[in-house]
Amino acid sequence: KAGVTQTPRYLIKTRGQQVTLSCSPISGHRSVSWYQQTPGQGLQFLFEYFSETQRNKGNFPGRFSGRQFSNSRSEMNVSTLELGDSALYLCASSLQGGPTGELFFGEGSRLTVL
Amino acid sequence: AQSVAQPEDQVNVAEGNPLTVKCTYSVSGNPYLFWYVQYPNRGLQFLLKYITGDNLVKGSYGFEAEFNKSQTSFHLKKPSALVSDSALYFCAATALGSSNTGKLIFGQGTTLQVKP
Repeated sequence: KAGVTQTPRYLIKTRGQQVTLSCSPISGHRSVSWYQQTPGQGLQFLFEYFSETQRNKGNFPGRFSGRQFSNSRSEMNVSTLELGDSALYLCASSLQGGPTGELFFGEGSRLTVL
Repeated sequence: AQSVAQPEDQVNVAEGNPLTVKCTYSVSGNPYLFWYVQYPNRGLQFLLKYITGDNLVKGSYGFEAEFNKSQTSFHLKKPSALVSDSALYFCAATALGSSNTGKLIFGQGTTLQVKP
């Protein structure tokens, strides 16, 4: 069974630009969560999608948005990039997104903002 | 507010010795607790979880963790460390509730260094 796939793996942008990251979950998984990982703040929850609906959202500004498609693939978008947005963005999938199930993580998209 | 604390930034242990990586948590209601491991430039890999039942949970690669409700702790342990165990370890927690859907609260991570 293929794991969680994130693209692109690495990207460099400049301040003010926007970026779109993609995540393909494990086949059959309907919940997709996104996390931001930085050395200073650690792992922080961005949002979670299930059946094309955002069910939960973390404390990030509106510049961070996401969506999920009918095949459960998900994208996240960051507009008007700031230097502080440089991070590893991790996508995780699970069957239903319930609290007892483990998350399966992709290898991440490393974003550098110059 | 819910939180997870890993009091040690780094744990050093000699190969063959037992290891412990500490974690304490603060969540509303019954906690669901997890340990994940991250190797350089990789995503997180699930090691084990506590949902309910036996306080000693066994997981992948010989790791186990002990849930202690009175001390609100969930320490990760392994009887005999391997050099290949060297990595970044994260403790995470969640609980029932719509505000927790798909969301884990992670500790800051502990780097485990196993020396030959």
